[in-house]
Amino acid sequence: DQQVKQNSPSLSVQEGRISILNCDYTNSMFDYFLWYKKYPAEGPTFLISISSIKDKNEDGRFTVFLNKSAKHLSLHIVPSQPGDSAVYFCAASAFNNDMRFGAGTRLTVKP
Amino acid sequence: DAGVIQSPRHEVTEMGQEVTLRCKPISGHDYLFWYRQTMMRGLELLIYFNNNVPIDDSGMPEDRFSAKMPNASFSTLKIQPSEPRDSAVYFCASSLFDRLSGYTFGSGTRLTVV
Repeated sequence: DQQVKQNSPSLSVQEGRISILNCDYTNSMFDYFLWYKKYPAEGPTFLISISSIKDKNEDGRFTVFLNKSAKHLSLHIVPSQPGDSAVYFCAASAFNNDMRFGAGTRLTVKP
Repeated sequence: DAGVIQSPRHEVTEMGQEVTLRCKPISGHDYLFWYRQTMMRGLELLIYFNNNVPIDDSGMPEDRFSAKMPNASFSTLKIQPSEPRDSAVYFCASSLFDRLSGYTFGSGTRLTVV
């Protein structure tokens, strides 16, 4: 049962434009949400997180938005750079420390 | 710190053989996680430990899979006997109990069972 869903397997954007990656979840007990980036032949690396008491968190070019009523979060990358090309995973956790991951979205940023 | 270290990076084995994957977490991290990545199911949590004690193994697919953490600096995931459907990339990750800081993942072990 996929509790965290990323419905877009891939996304392609032009360098300098905005990339928006989306994620939906079904478990209302989730209260922490994270995004990871993964390059080929490497493990996922932590990118940015947000707790359910907030609706926005920003870190440089990366912003995560959380809409609790819709059980939806998104990651905005502005401006997108070719080095951002990777697979992005959305993840969520409830009261404990184990995380559930989405299937990932492959982002390609074209020069 | 060298990060989370997994070995081997690649493993090719024949069906029916025993496979052991190894993980060294980051020193001081008290949580350790084993994930499996496949095309069909994405990243699945198999089992996790807190202070070397298994907390939740509900993701372990069947009795052929077992995991141990004999001390704070070492964990193993064993598959016996292995089957072709076990072919996947297996990741180990470690963390502190800081839910906003995420996990640190190793580079993974790509397992191929032929």
